[in-house]
Amino acid sequence: RKEVEQDPGPFNVPEGATVAFNCTYSNSASQSFFWYRQDCRKEPKLLMSVYSSGNEDGRFTAQLNRASQYISLLIRDSKLSDSATYLCVVKTSYDKVIFGPGTSLSVIP
Amino acid sequence: EPEVTQTPSHQVTQMGQEVILRCVPISNHLYFYWYRQILGQKVEFLVSFYNNEISEKSEIFDDQFSVERPDGSNFTLKIRSTKLEDSAMYFCASSEATVRYTFGSGTRLTVV
Repeated sequence: RKEVEQDPGPFNVPEGATVAFNCTYSNSASQSFFWYRQDCRKEPKLLMSVYSSGNEDGRFTAQLNRASQYISLLIRDSKLSDSATYLCVVKTSYDKVIFGPGTSLSVIP
Repeated sequence: EPEVTQTPSHQVTQMGQEVILRCVPISNHLYFYWYRQILGQKVEFLVSFYNNEISEKSEIFDDQFSVERPDGSNFTLKIRSTKLEDSAMYFCASSEATVRYTFGSGTRLTVV
């Protein structure tokens, strides 16, 4: 089983739609969880950390289920500017993070 | 907002040559990382560096690779005897406390 797996995508959604991304991780001892976004040929940028109780930042909601080793990201009211690849990132040990393969999102006018 | 700076933005090198990729992390950060991303593939961890030594490295980071923090501000990745498959985008990242990572804009390495 791969360390971090994500929906393969791509997701093509109209503006204003709600879209959800899923991610699973294999290491039950993983400590911290993040969602990053990566625009084409650019560096990954932190979108949000994911907390055990779930957390929200504007239109973005992240959830963590440690028992199922599952992380999700919900984007409401999609904007054209949300088009990017969304990376699930898991910190597996003191100083190592693993990136998922990413899920591509295209928001269509 | 503080940035991680990487130079050069694009490096072309001949197979078998050595390259040094340079990074200037954010000044108060203590943890430094190198990642690579082969075109169309996922971001892969190479190495982490703390307190002037490697703290973790991946199986990709073999004897061909080395890192150094020569002067307290730069953080370099040296790739010896480059191969075609080393062609990738190399990202440097730094963090204050191994939690939130700030990435540089990357160096695109092309081995010909």
